[in-house]
Amino acid sequence: ETGVTQSPTHLIKTRGQQVTLRCSSQSGHNTVSWYQQALGQGPQFIFQYYREEENGRGNFPPRFSGLQFPNYSSELNVNALELDDSALYLCASSLDLLRQGVEGYTFGSGTRLTVV
Amino acid sequence: DQQVKQNSPSLSVQEGRISILNCDYTNSMFDYFLWYKKYPAEGPTFLISISSIKDKNEDGRFTVFLNKSAKHLSLHIVPSQPGDSAVYFCAASATTSGTYKYIFGTGTRLKVLA
Repeated sequence: ETGVTQSPTHLIKTRGQQVTLRCSSQSGHNTVSWYQQALGQGPQFIFQYYREEENGRGNFPPRFSGLQFPNYSSELNVNALELDDSALYLCASSLDLLRQGVEGYTFGSGTRLTVV
Repeated sequence: DQQVKQNSPSLSVQEGRISILNCDYTNSMFDYFLWYKKYPAEGPTFLISISSIKDKNEDGRFTVFLNKSAKHLSLHIVPSQPGDSAVYFCAASATTSGTYKYIFGTGTRLKVLA
């Protein structure tokens, strides 16, 4: 089975621009979560999608938005980029909502976003 | 306000000995806890979980202990191996209507010395 794949692996953007990050879930996983990991910090929950609907959101402004597609792949969009958005963005999938308590997530390797 | 804290940024242990990684939390509503391991340039890898109805869970060399009254979680690795050298994160979630919003600690870097 394939794991979680994210693209691109690295990205450099200018402040004020918009960015789209992509994620392919592990096969059969219908739940996707996005996390932001700043340098030296633990991952911070951005939001979660379950069967194409947003199913929970962390303390991130509305310029962070997402989508989940019928094949359960997902996108994270960030508008009006700020310097503080520079971080590793991790996508994580799970088999379904209830399994997250016992099995956690499968994480991708992340997209390193640098805003200059 | 950091709800999940890993107060030891790093830990060194001799191969074959026990590694104990600690995690404290402040929110009494947390009901699921996870431990992840992260190697450089890779995403975190799930290790072991525990729910608040238990106080111990074992999986091979890994055991997680939960002390709800102290709001304390620990991961024991016995015996430690050089391949265990990585950053370890604990995470906690207060489940609401099937939504898990895991809050992660800042991680502890474990180095197992051969």
